[in-house]
Amino acid sequence: GNSVTQMEGPVTLSEEAFLTINCTYTATGYPSLFWYVQYPGEGLQLLLKATKADDKGSNKGFEATYRKETTSFHLEKGSVQVSDSAVYFCALSKDNRKLIWGLGTSLAVNP
Amino acid sequence: DTEVTQTPKHLVMGMTNKKSLKCEQHMGHRAMYWYKQKAKKPPELMFVYSYEKLSINESVPSRFSPECPNSSLLNLHLHALQPEDSALYLCASSQEPASGNTIYFGEGSWLTVV
Repeated sequence: GNSVTQMEGPVTLSEEAFLTINCTYTATGYPSLFWYVQYPGEGLQLLLKATKADDKGSNKGFEATYRKETTSFHLEKGSVQVSDSAVYFCALSKDNRKLIWGLGTSLAVNP
Repeated sequence: DTEVTQTPKHLVMGMTNKKSLKCEQHMGHRAMYWYKQKAKKPPELMFVYSYEKLSINESVPSRFSPECPNSSLLNLHLHALQPEDSALYLCASSQEPASGNTIYFGEGSWLTVV
C-alpha cells in the first residue's frame, strides 16, 4: 500500500544552520507530494507541494524536489530561523480525497 | 491566513453533553473534511464530504455525527464522548477530491472531554 516515511525527530539546530528533513514514499504510479507545517498551538499549513517527477516546490525559503528515481521528497532550507520551529509533515496523495501522512518531524531552532 | 474558519477554538464538554463544531470556507471548494489529531501525531481522516454528500466515513464511532448544510459549511455534532476523544479537530477543504489538489486546513478546535 501507499506509505510515507520521514526522519524521526526532534531535530535541533542553531539559527542560520542548513536544514534537511528526509522523506521517502512508497506508492504505485505518480502520487502528488506535500509538505505541511504545524506551528505550536496551530492548525496545519501547506508549505509546498509537487505533483509530478522533477517538480520543485518552494515557499518561504524551503524547497523540496520530487525524485521519482529515489522515491523521495526531502525538505531543505539554507538558513533556518527561530520562527521555523514547528512540526513538519510529509504527505502523499494518490487516491482521491485521502492524504497519507508521515509521522512528523519536530524542529527546534535555537537563537 | 487560513480561509477555513473553525469555531469554537476551544471546547470543554462533559461525557453527557451534546455540542457541535462548526467550519466554514468561502473558497468555492466542493470537498470538505474532518480530521482528528492527537498531540505530535499526524492527523487522522474521519469524514469526507464531496459535493455536499458524505463520501467517506473512516469507521468513526456514531457519537460523532457530521453534517454538511451547504457547500460552505460543515458541522461535527458530538454526543456522549469519551475522555479519549479529547484532541484537536481539524476541518479542511479542497477544490475537488482529487489527488493533486491541495487540502487547506483550518486552525482547529481543541476539544477536551471531562
